[in-house]
Amino acid sequence: DAKTTQPTSMDCAEGRAANLPCNHSTISGNEYVYWYRQIHSQGPQYIIHGLKNNETNEMASLIITEDRKSSTLILPHATLRDTAVYYCIVRPYGGSQGNLIFGKGTKLSVKP
Amino acid sequence: NAGVMQNPRHLVRRRGQEARLRCSPMKGHSHVYWYRQLPEEGLKFMVYLQKENIIDESGMPKERFSAEFPKEGPSILRIQQVVRGDSAAYFCASSPGTGVEQYFGPGTRLTVT
Repeated sequence: DAKTTQPTSMDCAEGRAANLPCNHSTISGNEYVYWYRQIHSQGPQYIIHGLKNNETNEMASLIITEDRKSSTLILPHATLRDTAVYYCIVRPYGGSQGNLIFGKGTKLSVKP
Repeated sequence: NAGVMQNPRHLVRRRGQEARLRCSPMKGHSHVYWYRQLPEEGLKFMVYLQKENIIDESGMPKERFSAEFPKEGPSILRIQQVVRGDSAAYFCASSPGTGVEQYFGPGTRLTVT
């Protein structure tokens, strides 16, 4: 079972920041937070991952709380093409676990 | 740098036939994963392979399904004697190592008639 809790759906206005929350209250010390998204009918796309420090790349920012029990994925200027299901996954980094465990994710709808 | 490639993108099979799905990982990636997404359901892990080895097949159905990743060539997911319940999108992912980010292909959509 997935170790994360995400809202089922969210809306965001085009051009505004999309803030997607994720709760992972049982996260272990060696587990990272990963975010993927799946645009309709396409393969999942890796977005970003982090351990405890905030991370930023060309796609998004990841803010992890100090106690690591929750995080927020931020898309700074959402576009219509960001409409997708977003998955928050926790797993060890570089460990022996190969598979990703996908939950139900958050369906983000970006509206004009 | 080409991404993960899967073919065919769409495959139609009649009940009882065999389906072969192919996956070419990203250049430099020696780890391959297969996932299945049934209609209106989430992604489920099936199998994890490295070159010539199956590392984890805990998500594979016990019968009719097999996977390989030979020393040369793509990874193959094989489904024998397909049934309508096998209709799904099958995604392949690859990574340069264990426990790191995975990069997914566009998927193969299998329809069993």
